[in-house]
Order: sequence, then C-alpha cells, then structure tokens
Amino acid sequence: DSGVTQTPKHLITATGQRVTLRCSPRSGDLSVYWYQQSLDQGLQFLIQYYNGEERAKGNILERFSAQQFPDLHSELNLSSLELGDSALYFCASSHGPFGDTQYFGPGTRLTVL
Amino acid sequence: ILNVEQSPQSLHVQEGDSTNFTCSFPSSNFYALHWYRWETAKSPEALFVMTLNGDEKKKGRISATLNTKEGYSYLYIKGSQPEDSATYLCALNRDDKIIFGKGTRLHILP
Repeated sequence: DSGVTQTPKHLITATGQRVTLRCSPRSGDLSVYWYQQSLDQGLQFLIQYYNGEERAKGNILERFSAQQFPDLHSELNLSSLELGDSALYFCASSHGPFGDTQYFGPGTRLTVL
Repeated sequence: ILNVEQSPQSLHVQEGDSTNFTCSFPSSNFYALHWYRWETAKSPEALFVMTLNGDEKKKGRISATLNTKEGYSYLYIKGSQPEDSATYLCALNRDDKIIFGKGTRLHILP
C-alpha cells in the first residue's frame, strides 16, 4: 500500500457526461501528479500540482481540468467525455516539487460507453 | 517531439540468470530519471530516482546506472527470480514535464 488513495475504483458513464476523480496524497506529500494509461498508449503525464499550484502540464486535453485543494487532495475533472477517454487514471504523490520519488495510487478505471 | 526509448520491448530470462535493459533519452533539460517496476493489475512502484551523471543506485539484486551526457540509463537484475517478472518503466523528468518509455516486459522462465 503506497499511502495514496483514489476514488472511485471504477466508473462507467456515457459519452458527453462529466466525471470527477479524486486523489488523496500520502501524508506529508505536497505534489500530486495525474497520469492516463490507455490500451494503445503507455503512461501519459497529464498535470502536476505542488502545494496548491499548478506546476507542470503534460498532454492534458482542454476538456480536462484539475485542482489541488488546501488539504492537498486533488480532483481531476473530465468533461464532454468521448469513447477514447476510457482509460486507467493514476494519481501519484511526492514530497517535493520535482525529481522526488513518486508513489502511485491504485488507479481509477474509467469506461465511457 | 521528446522520446524516451526502452529496449528491448520484451525479454525472456532463465531463473537465476542476470539481465539488463536500456532507457535512452534526450539529454537536454535533464532533471531526473525514474525507474519503476509495474506488475500486472497493480500500480507502478518506484525503484530509483537518479539525478547525477554517473549515478549508480542499488536495491537488493537490482541496480541502475545513469549517463546524462550521452542520454542513457541501464537497469540490471542479478540472479533473476520469478517475482522479478514485471514491466520495467523509465521516465524522464524534465522541469516542465514527465515522459515515460513504453517499458521492457520481463518474463522469468522457471
């Protein structure tokens, strides 16, 4: 158990809908990262927050947004969902802003029908 | 386009043998290189974070080296065991993004 929690574990929804994925980092970690893993692609970095501020941005679509709250938990919002958004979404946390060991949560499996 | 390349894609190794695989990356704007072990149906598990040219790290039977000037890192596994079967991922951490390789899938044969 890495200490990073993600909810829900599974999510099934329809095209055009909006969902929110939640992540709680390990105690003491200030950075939260979001990753997407689709069948045909490897792990893709989406976005990183450090202590409430956006720190780095990867291949995140405009339909997706994230935030980190004062208690350091983070939410990833996915809207106008398409079939291709079906994937495993991981959250990871680390202590520092970059270059630290990252601890991955168990992931949220999103299925868009 | 920044690419992190891992080779080989897949590897079959006899139990007890030692093995190694490679991660190649563009050396500009380098900050850190991460290695992860990823078992099926689980989450990636951090093995090493390497930041300095010439870095060598070791964890039990697994070790890694880093050459930032030529842009590569090697992961070594000594005396492979069945529990080493997994996908080994490397990720380049630049200041502005993180780029993963596609992984080396390691199968240990009994």
